[in-house]
Amino acid sequence: AQSVTQLGSHVSVSEGALVLLRCNYSSSVPPYLFWYVQYPNQGLQLLLKYTSAATLVKGINGFEAEFKKSETSFHLTKPSAHMSDAAEYFCAVSDRGFQKLVFGTGTRLLVSP
Amino acid sequence: NAGVTQTPKFRVLKTGQSMTLLCAQDMNHEYMYWYRQDPGMGLRLIHYSVGEGTTAKGEVPDGYNVSRLKKQNFLLGLESAAPSQTSVYFCASSSSTRGPTEAFFGQGTRLTVV
Repeated sequence: AQSVTQLGSHVSVSEGALVLLRCNYSSSVPPYLFWYVQYPNQGLQLLLKYTSAATLVKGINGFEAEFKKSETSFHLTKPSAHMSDAAEYFCAVSDRGFQKLVFGTGTRLLVSP
Repeated sequence: NAGVTQTPKFRVLKTGQSMTLLCAQDMNHEYMYWYRQDPGMGLRLIHYSVGEGTTAKGEVPDGYNVSRLKKQNFLLGLESAAPSQTSVYFCASSSSTRGPTEAFFGQGTRLTVV
């Protein structure tokens, strides 16, 4: 079964610092990979998705993620954190057949002034 | 454009009571899902549907039932609520087109079972 592991349940950064949220997947065949963001008391919304067209994927709000097959990773980055980035971030995976999403346990990003 | 709408947003149940959560989507999506979100566990799939009249079990189906009588609606039922079912429930929908398609989520239902 597909699965993803997110390292670190909480990540704290200062405003303007680099954001790095880690995600590793377990699959012998590159799956579909996604990053979703959840703001307080809201549902999830898509940040970006890996389509296999390019290993570096750009998403909304300045986020990007790089697919590395050799490391089975799909880490999320943003060069400069903003206070509005404070939220919970979920990595998710689905196989290439029926797209049933399997989520990681989430990483809460805290941004301090 | 409503997207995915969940009803109700909050509910408190007593142990043993029953209730139904309603999910409605206006995007003509084939696929619909019910997830539960618990602290430190991410979102776990309860049941899903690949089309009208079809349902299937997800990762944590015990204690829940679902129905998809109309394409736009996906109902989640709790026949006899237990405190372990205290959670935030999310409905989502997605299209059946090939490739990695986006799942659209509702705002969630916060359920407390006392």
